[in-house]
Amino acid sequence: AQSVTQLDSHVSVSEGTPVLLRCNYSSSYSPSLFWYVQHPNKGLQLLLKYTSAATLVKGINGFEAEFKKSETSFHLTKPSAHMSDAAEYFCVVSGANDMRFGAGTRLTVKP
Amino acid sequence: GAVVSQHPSRVICKSGTSVKIECRSLDFQATTMFWYRQFPKQSLMLMATSNEGSKATYEQGVEKDKFLINHASLTLSTLTVASAHPEDSSFYICSARWSGPGDTQYFGPGTRLTVL
Repeated sequence: AQSVTQLDSHVSVSEGTPVLLRCNYSSSYSPSLFWYVQHPNKGLQLLLKYTSAATLVKGINGFEAEFKKSETSFHLTKPSAHMSDAAEYFCVVSGANDMRFGAGTRLTVKP
Repeated sequence: GAVVSQHPSRVICKSGTSVKIECRSLDFQATTMFWYRQFPKQSLMLMATSNEGSKATYEQGVEKDKFLINHASLTLSTLTVASAHPEDSSFYICSARWSGPGDTQYFGPGTRLTVL
């Protein structure tokens, strides 16, 4: 069985400051991991994915995530938040036949 | 990137009617499609996995007679909510799995169902 835990349901940062969204995973084998973003009333957009290549994954819009097997973590970071980053973020683990979503983290960006 | 469409984007219906939602992969073939349900301010819950040409695999607790899934071709899967009731109101999202390099799922924009 596999699952993900997003450690924060809500994160609030000021514009221009760093963003850290935390995710821990559980998987019985080497997982594929993803971060998706969902803006209000919109579909899901893939930010980045890890599929056992480089452990530091760079995604779109300046986001990146580091796969740490020893910590079973896949935290999402961005050096400088922008107002347009305000959205819901989902950490996802993928197996052979399905994807399991975390509960989501709502990112608020203050001016 | 790969595009997945859903139709309709929004539907309002009376209790007791059936509603069909289509999910199409527009520029790739998807042997596997997935259907998710999302309640307000909550995460996505996998409802079922749909494989082309075979019966869908439903997650525990999902009524297969209520949520009918058909995956008739490599680019189309449909979800029919049979005899919809107000508690079926939700945001339904499909995804299509691209089996090429990277093995990524691409998500549709979702369908908001409101049952009166």
